[in-house]
Amino acid sequence: EAGVAQSPRYKIIEKRQSVAFWCNPISGHATLYWYQQILGQGPKLLIQFQNNGVVDDSQLPKDRFSAERLKGVDSTLKIQPAKLEDSAVYLCASSLEQLHYSNQPQHFGDGTRLSIL
Amino acid sequence: KNQVEQSPQSLIILEGKNCTLQCNYTVSPFSNLRWYKQDTGRGPVSLTIMTFSENTKSNGRYTATLDADTKQSSLHITASQLSDSASYICVVQRTGRRALTFGSGTRLQVQP
Repeated sequence: EAGVAQSPRYKIIEKRQSVAFWCNPISGHATLYWYQQILGQGPKLLIQFQNNGVVDDSQLPKDRFSAERLKGVDSTLKIQPAKLEDSAVYLCASSLEQLHYSNQPQHFGDGTRLSIL
Repeated sequence: KNQVEQSPQSLIILEGKNCTLQCNYTVSPFSNLRWYKQDTGRGPVSLTIMTFSENTKSNGRYTATLDADTKQSSLHITASQLSDSASYICVVQRTGRRALTFGSGTRLQVQP
């Protein structure tokens, strides 16, 4: 099966600019996650969707970050305006998990590496 | 506070040798523990998922153990290969919650 697709792979912008990332999950996966991974650390959950509804966005900096998952498939994550501390890899993951939590593994894309100048 | 601590932070071993990575967690109530392998510049890939009732689980040369009483897990790599060079991340999920708590990972380097 095709994996989680993300684009772009790399992005360099100046602080205060805006940027958007795109994610296409594995076909049939109901749950989609966006993570931020700072160099040397484990991923930190930003937002979790169940189909096209938000399940958890408690760690999303809502003053500058936004995400949507129209039609319950593809998703975009936007940062506006970007700050220096937003330099990180943004990972998208998906899983088969339906209404309740399960032991389904999360399948990750290769991420977008964002550098803020 | 729900935390996952991994040790060592980094490790260098020679090709063909075995190694063991450690994970201690305070996440409660516990649902499952996962080990992921993350190659440089790639997303994490699931190695094992263990629930409360499972003590050990293998995936090829990777064997994970879990002691839910002491809240410890280990990942044992047998007969290491150059391709095992990667970060290994321990992840714990709480019962009833979907969010995962990630450790910071152990960076393993296998040298020829």
